[in-house]
Amino acid sequence: KAGVTQTPRYLIKTRGQQVTLSCSPISGHRSVSWYQQTPGQGLQFLFEYFSETQRNKGNFPGRFSGRQFSNSRSEMNVSTLELGDSALYLCASSPDSYSNQPQHFGDGTRLSIL
Amino acid sequence: DQQVKQNSPSLSVQEGRISILNCDYTNSMFDYFLWYKKYPAEGPTFLISISSIKDKNEDGRFTVFLNKSAKHLSLHIVPSQPGDSAVYFCAANGSGGGADGLTFGKGTHLIIQP
Repeated sequence: KAGVTQTPRYLIKTRGQQVTLSCSPISGHRSVSWYQQTPGQGLQFLFEYFSETQRNKGNFPGRFSGRQFSNSRSEMNVSTLELGDSALYLCASSPDSYSNQPQHFGDGTRLSIL
Repeated sequence: DQQVKQNSPSLSVQEGRISILNCDYTNSMFDYFLWYKKYPAEGPTFLISISSIKDKNEDGRFTVFLNKSAKHLSLHIVPSQPGDSAVYFCAANGSGGGADGLTFGKGTHLIIQP
């Protein structure tokens, strides 16, 4: 069974640009969550999507947004990039959004802002 | 304010001995707890979880213990093997399932000495 796939693996952008990251969940999983990992703050929850609807959002500015498609694939977008957005962005999937089940992670996209 | 704390940034254990990783939490609304293992350049890998209605869950060499009154959980690895060397994250979730997003500790770097 294929795992969670994130593309691209590495990305370099400059301040002020915008970026889109992609995530394909495990087949059959309908919940997709996004996390940011930085050395200072650790792993922090960005948002969660289920059935193409954002059900919850973490404490991040509106520059961070996302969407989910009918096949459960998800994208996240960061606009007006800042140096502090340099981080590892992780996507995780689980079968549904309502019960407590393990989330399974992809290998992430390493975003570097110059 | 950190709601999930892993107070030991690193832990060194001899191969074959028991590794005990600890985690404390402050939010009494958390009712599902997970441990993840992370190698460099990879995403976190799910190890084991426990619901707040239990106080112990076992899976092979891995056992998680939950003490709700103390708001404390621990992961025991017996026997420790060289491949167990990694960063271990404790995570917690509320009753809202995946939509709540996981709250992570900062991680403990486990080093297994030959």
